[in-house]
Amino acid sequence: GAVVSQHPSRVICKSGTSVKIECRSLDFQATTMFWYRQFPKQSLMLMATSNEGSKATYEQGVEKDKFLINHASLTLSTLTVTSAHPEDSSFYICTAIEDGTNYGYTFGSGTRLTVV
Amino acid sequence: SQQGEEDPQALSIQEGENATMNCSYKTSINNLQWYRQNSGRGLVHLILIRSNEREKHSGRLRVTLDTSKKSSSLLITASRAADTASYFCATDANNQGGKLIFGQGTELSVKP
Repeated sequence: GAVVSQHPSRVICKSGTSVKIECRSLDFQATTMFWYRQFPKQSLMLMATSNEGSKATYEQGVEKDKFLINHASLTLSTLTVTSAHPEDSSFYICTAIEDGTNYGYTFGSGTRLTVV
Repeated sequence: SQQGEEDPQALSIQEGENATMNCSYKTSINNLQWYRQNSGRGLVHLILIRSNEREKHSGRLRVTLDTSKKSSSLLITASRAADTASYFCATDANNQGGKLIFGQGTELSVKP
């Protein structure tokens, strides 16, 4: 079945530094990927839609300059949290839709970011 | 913004009992999906029900969809301790480019 690899699974960084999270579809092409964040005991909040070859579309209230998304190929999207602060500590998770299907969402295993 | 609301927020039952979780949403949808998440882990897709379907089964899972009421329910029969997890509904709304919007989730605890 379709697999999405997300790395790293856990990362601890210092305030002010940037962290890059990768979301890679291993055995299928994904023109579209989505990034979510999840705070403890809460649901997943959609941050942005990542489109291969074009700019990401951000949800209302999500700072595009803080959360940089790059979807440079049909199998890789990256989310960079820039100038991270403790309030950015969260669980980030990506999902990819397999091209040619309209419901084949495959989720990565998530990244636990802790900013100290 | 969140589309779905789920109830109950938390549910505690004994092994062998059935668990029912409900989800309501606000706009027209292409399909509705249910996911499971163990604490601190990724999501596991459970079942997808299309807007033109009313009921779907998968093993011990039964999902219903009422588009007139904009609601869905997930029934887990003969629950097991291993079913303990958070359960989320997610809607793929019309004309939204495939975005999945998640409900608030139900935290299910099944006691042995």
